[in-house]
Amino acid sequence: RKEVEQDPGPFNVPEGATVAFNCTYSNSASQSFFWYRQDCRKEPKLLMSVYSSGNEDGRFTAQLNRASQYISLLIRDSKLSDSATYLCVVNIRDYKLSFGAGTTVTVRA
Amino acid sequence: DAGVIQSPRHEVTEMGQEVTLRCKPISGHDYLFWYRQTMMRGLELLIYFNNNVPIDDSGMPEDRFSAKMPNASFSTLKIQPSEPRDSAVYFCASSLEGFQPQHFGDGTRLSIL
Repeated sequence: RKEVEQDPGPFNVPEGATVAFNCTYSNSASQSFFWYRQDCRKEPKLLMSVYSSGNEDGRFTAQLNRASQYISLLIRDSKLSDSATYLCVVNIRDYKLSFGAGTTVTVRA
Repeated sequence: DAGVIQSPRHEVTEMGQEVTLRCKPISGHDYLFWYRQTMMRGLELLIYFNNNVPIDDSGMPEDRFSAKMPNASFSTLKIQPSEPRDSAVYFCASSLEGFQPQHFGDGTRLSIL
């Protein structure tokens, strides 16, 4: 079983729509969770950390479900600039992070 | 504030040559990570340092790869001899503390012919 698994998508949505996707992780002892975004031929950039209580950052909402070992990301009122690959990131042991393969989101006009 | 700085941005060389990738972490960050990204394998951690000391190099693919961090502001990843299968984007990242988010450099696009 992979350490972090994501639905690769692609999710093709119109501007203004809501899109949501999950990732699952295998190590129940994981303590840190993040969502990164990566644009084509660019470096991964931190989108947001994910906290146990769930957290929002503008149009983005992240949730953590420790019992079921999954993390979700919801994007409201999608913009064209939200088109990217979203990487689910989990620390697997010590300070090592495991990156999911990414979920591709394309927002169309 | 300066982010993580990597050089070169692009490297094209012939197989068998030595390749050296360079990284300057964000000032004050105690952790430095080297990753490799390919379409087939995604983003893989190669090695990470804490306070200039290598902590885990289990991701280094083979003895042809080596990494050093002689001081807090500089690290190198060396491949000798290089092979076509080493072609990938190599990223360096740093973080303030172990569980803090990592900040990535622009990456080095390496092509081995």
